[in-house]
Amino acid sequence: GQNIDQPTEMTATEGAIVQINCTYQTSGFNGLFWYQQHAGEAPTFLSYNVLDGLEEKGRFSSFLSRSKGYSYLLLKELQMKDSASYLCAVRTFSGGYNKLIFGAGTRLAVHP
Amino acid sequence: NAGVMQNPRHLVRRRGQEARLRCSPMKGHSHVYWYRQLPEEGLKFMVYLQKENIIDESGMPKERFSAEFPKEGPSILRIQQVVRGDSAAYFCASSLQNSGNTIYFGEGSWLTVV
Repeated sequence: GQNIDQPTEMTATEGAIVQINCTYQTSGFNGLFWYQQHAGEAPTFLSYNVLDGLEEKGRFSSFLSRSKGYSYLLLKELQMKDSASYLCAVRTFSGGYNKLIFGAGTRLAVHP
Repeated sequence: NAGVMQNPRHLVRRRGQEARLRCSPMKGHSHVYWYRQLPEEGLKFMVYLQKENIIDESGMPKERFSAEFPKEGPSILRIQQVVRGDSAAYFCASSLQNSGNTIYFGEGSWLTVV
């Protein structure tokens, strides 16, 4: 089966750094995505990893270790507007096509 | 270039009624995916469609739910005889290619069953 785990909730202070972890057990792994979702809104794309290593994009970085089934999203210089849910999603390839499977999401609260 | 358009944004139905949710993918996109999100939960895959074809409906409940993506017009997610447990946000996403790394989500349709 497919299983994606991430913490339910996290809190952090404005200006700090936070790391949101994601572990997965899936078949047909074909990439890992991170999305941000504010309450009542659509998920928006943050990052994509398919090879091991770190991908940096401004204040956000994402890391992948395929051998460990592990990824993290690193948010630096936290701002109040970063309070949102962060969704880890694994793309799996099976039956000749790709499908995106989501974890339950991590709700991040940034405090002053 | 308009994004993925979903309507209605909010829909209230009484138990036993039908709900129809529409999704117009981004221009040129022929791959459509529907997800359901219950309150305080992640997105659950429901169905993957290409024009006129259902590719994967493994996440769709066997009864009352159906989806289509006709040659012309939007994709439709149809829920018959709605029950309170159907209350959720339904998100549609589209992509240019199934193998690409960019999937665009619509704003979602919030269904409330009273």
